[in-house]
Amino acid sequence: GNSVTQMQGQVTLSEEEFLFINCTYSTTGYPTLFWYVQYPGEGPQLLLKVTTANNKGSSRGFEATYDKGTTSFHLQKASVQESDSAVYYCVLGEGTGGYKVVFGSGTRLLVSP
Amino acid sequence: EAAVTQSPRNKVAVTGGKVTLSCNQTNNHNNMYWYRQDTGHGLRLIHYSYGAGSTEKGDIPDGYKASRPSQENFSLILELATPSQTSVYFCASGDMGANSDYTFGSGTRLLVI
Repeated sequence: GNSVTQMQGQVTLSEEEFLFINCTYSTTGYPTLFWYVQYPGEGPQLLLKVTTANNKGSSRGFEATYDKGTTSFHLQKASVQESDSAVYYCVLGEGTGGYKVVFGSGTRLLVSP
Repeated sequence: EAAVTQSPRNKVAVTGGKVTLSCNQTNNHNNMYWYRQDTGHGLRLIHYSYGAGSTEKGDIPDGYKASRPSQENFSLILELATPSQTSVYFCASGDMGANSDYTFGSGTRLLVI
């Protein structure tokens, strides 16, 4: 079945540092990859999505690309702010046999001023 | 503004009692989902629906029922609540097609004592 692995449980940075979060996925189909962000006390919300391998998605200063060859999907931001502190989920959407999404376990980002 | 609204925001229930969590969406989405979120487990799919009158089992359906009486409303029912069902529950809605993203509600925090 489809699966998503996020190895980084927590990332701690100072403001203006570079952010890089990676995830790997497994599927036999043609996936769309998403990044969702969850702030304390709220539900997850879509940050960005990438529908085609090697294309780039971007939103609010975040960028993401996925590499079909290495089945990896990463999220990056050049300069983080304290307000970026949240949990980031890598999510795989795949339509073979009926559309479903699979959530990764999440990466908690803590940014100190 | 299109949205997903969950009620109640907080609920305390007694063991063995019946609990109903409600979700309403104004996105005109066909699909709706119920997840629970626990520390160490991320988001886990309980039940989902492809439209009014339909419900499908997710990955952890035991102890839960779902009801979709209309396009807009999707309920999660705990007939005999147990302390192990203490969790934060999220409802989401999404379109049918591949590449579809989800809109989440703000969650219901349930404590079963």
